[in-house]
Amino acid sequence: DVKVTQSSRYLVKRTGEKVFLECVQDMDHENMFWYRQDPGLGLRLIYFSYDVKMKEKGDIPEGYSVSREKKERFSLILESASTNQTSMYLCASSSAGGYNEQFFGPGTRLTVL
Amino acid sequence: GENVGLHLPTLSVQEGDNSIINCAYSNSASDYFIWYKQESGKGPQFIIDIRSNMDKRQGQRVTVLLNKTVKHLSLQIAATQPGDSAVYFCAEMILSGTYKYIFGTGTRLKVLA
Repeated sequence: DVKVTQSSRYLVKRTGEKVFLECVQDMDHENMFWYRQDPGLGLRLIYFSYDVKMKEKGDIPEGYSVSREKKERFSLILESASTNQTSMYLCASSSAGGYNEQFFGPGTRLTVL
Repeated sequence: GENVGLHLPTLSVQEGDNSIINCAYSNSASDYFIWYKQESGKGPQFIIDIRSNMDKRQGQRVTVLLNKTVKHLSLQIAATQPGDSAVYFCAEMILSGTYKYIFGTGTRLKVLA
């Protein structure tokens, strides 16, 4: 069974803390994505990566960075967490090329106090 | 996530009836479309996809219809079951360029016993 796993389901951090969200996929997918999901706004792309050590900004990259040192792992970093980064964070992966669905992880509910 | 259903349009359907969920997509150049299901506390799960050169595709109990003239996508669920209760949203992608998907905000389907 294909799987995308995220390091935490729930996380509570304080303003100004550095936060790491980890995502691992076991499908040997080239592409990996980080989204945030907020009520009424749909999924918004933060960053994506189409290969190891490669990254591209999505629609809302401000306040975030990413790291992809290994093919199976894609990390999202909040350098200095702020309350407006309280959200559900979803990681996804897909094969390279077109017509490929994205497989999602279960999500991390981050609360920044 | 558990809050994804807030502020969304809701479709209430009697168990055993057919459900039709609609999506207006944004870009006439989109090549590929996917319907996702998201249950409370879980990540989105692929249901069915369709390419822009098709107008209909059927799966098990689900059918997706694509009307490119009016940029409209619909998901039909036959004989709706309690386990179908979830948030459903569509995603569109343009194959040329980046691997970015655009996601709709979703519709909450409530199945009444």
